[in-house]
Amino acid sequence: GQQVMQIPQYQHVQEGEDFTTYCNSSTTLSNIQWYKQRPGGHPVFLIQLVKSGEVKKQKRLTFQFGEAKKNSSLHITATQTTDVGTYFCAARGSGTYKYIFGTGTRLKVLA
Amino acid sequence: EPEVTQTPSHQVTQMGQEVILRCVPISNHLYFYWYRQILGQKVEFLVSFYNNEISEKSEIFDDQFSVERPDGSNFTLKIRSTKLEDSAMYFCASTGTGAVSDNSPLHFGNGTRLTVT
Repeated sequence: GQQVMQIPQYQHVQEGEDFTTYCNSSTTLSNIQWYKQRPGGHPVFLIQLVKSGEVKKQKRLTFQFGEAKKNSSLHITATQTTDVGTYFCAARGSGTYKYIFGTGTRLKVLA
Repeated sequence: EPEVTQTPSHQVTQMGQEVILRCVPISNHLYFYWYRQILGQKVEFLVSFYNNEISEKSEIFDDQFSVERPDGSNFTLKIRSTKLEDSAMYFCASTGTGAVSDNSPLHFGNGTRLTVT
């Protein structure tokens, strides 16, 4: 079945440093979504990417979808303590209703 | 803003007992999901539900699990005979007001923490 891996599993950064998490699917995707989960919370939608090579920005966050629609990345510039949490990609193949979540990257920001 | 609500927030049950987890999806959504998350691990897909029937289910969703939309409002997950390894946070999610291709985001509830002793 479809597998979605993320690296790294954990990342500790000093406040102000940049952070990137990478998401890789074993199959070509219809679209990919990114979610953030704070400790003790539920996943909260951040962004969706649909087109091959698409790049979207949300303030300090930059999201990319690979040309082959099998990988994606989330980059945070100048991290803040409020960025702490686990970032998940969620991948959907064509003709399916289900989103498969990646393994997640847990970000810790040290003040 | 409309939200997905789940009850109870925490359920403790003995091994072998049946549990029903309840969810009220956002009212105009058409697609419903159950996911589970074992502490500190990834969010695992269990089942998707559309047009009053299961669309897809994972290997985890065996004969012990069932879902129902009994009254057009609630969406329930039943575990017939709970096992220790069923202990997890169970999230309900809903999305979509049209075709699946509309790519709407998943809206998650706050989850039910199930503890099987």
